[in-house]
Amino acid sequence: AQKVTQAQTEISVVEKEDVTLDCVYETRDTTYYLFWYKQPPSGELVFLIRRNSFDEQNEISGRYSWNFQKSTSSFNFTITASQVVDSAVYFCALSGDNYGQNFVFGPGTRLSVLP
Amino acid sequence: SQTIHQWPATLVQPVGSPLSLECTVEGTSNPNLYWYRQAAGRGLQLLFYSVGIGQISSEVPQNLSASRPQDRQFILSSKKLLLSDSGFYLCAWSVHRGRGNTEAFFGQGTRLTVV
Repeated sequence: AQKVTQAQTEISVVEKEDVTLDCVYETRDTTYYLFWYKQPPSGELVFLIRRNSFDEQNEISGRYSWNFQKSTSSFNFTITASQVVDSAVYFCALSGDNYGQNFVFGPGTRLSVLP
Repeated sequence: SQTIHQWPATLVQPVGSPLSLECTVEGTSNPNLYWYRQAAGRGLQLLFYSVGIGQISSEVPQNLSASRPQDRQFILSSKKLLLSDSGFYLCAWSVHRGRGNTEAFFGQGTRLTVV
């Protein structure tokens, strides 16, 4: 069975602080895919990143960076110099390699960036 | 480009009334389609997913049902709503490309309140 854990329910930081959102996953698949989504107050889920299990390179996109470590089954997300607009709920998700495989989401982490 | 339409955006329905939420995808063919529900302050729960016309997989047995009458149309229904059906319903699509699913793209969601 697949499972995604986001142990941090809520995080509050002050603007310009760095913050890391944790994600730990469980899967028996040898090939799988990891995702991060942002859900602002409007409700729509916004896709941020997709990562393949066979590519452990970390990725940076502007103020966002992702650290994928297969050895610890973790896919952590760091926001550098956080801004108020980063306030949202962030979801980590996992999908397998089989045709029609669905997405398993973690419970989400609510990030509040205070001015 | 691909787009996903989900309607209505908000809905208030009395207990015992029927429900029909519709989702359509444009710009892609043979997508995987998903219905998720998000209770207030909670994570995403997969309700149904479909890999093709008439093919529906149910993840959570309850008084909801789903249908896929056309390739890019996914409908969530109920004959008699319960109070516990209140929540935020999200439709999503993805495609299987060679190695695993693409990321899932979400509609804007329907906020359902059963009174």
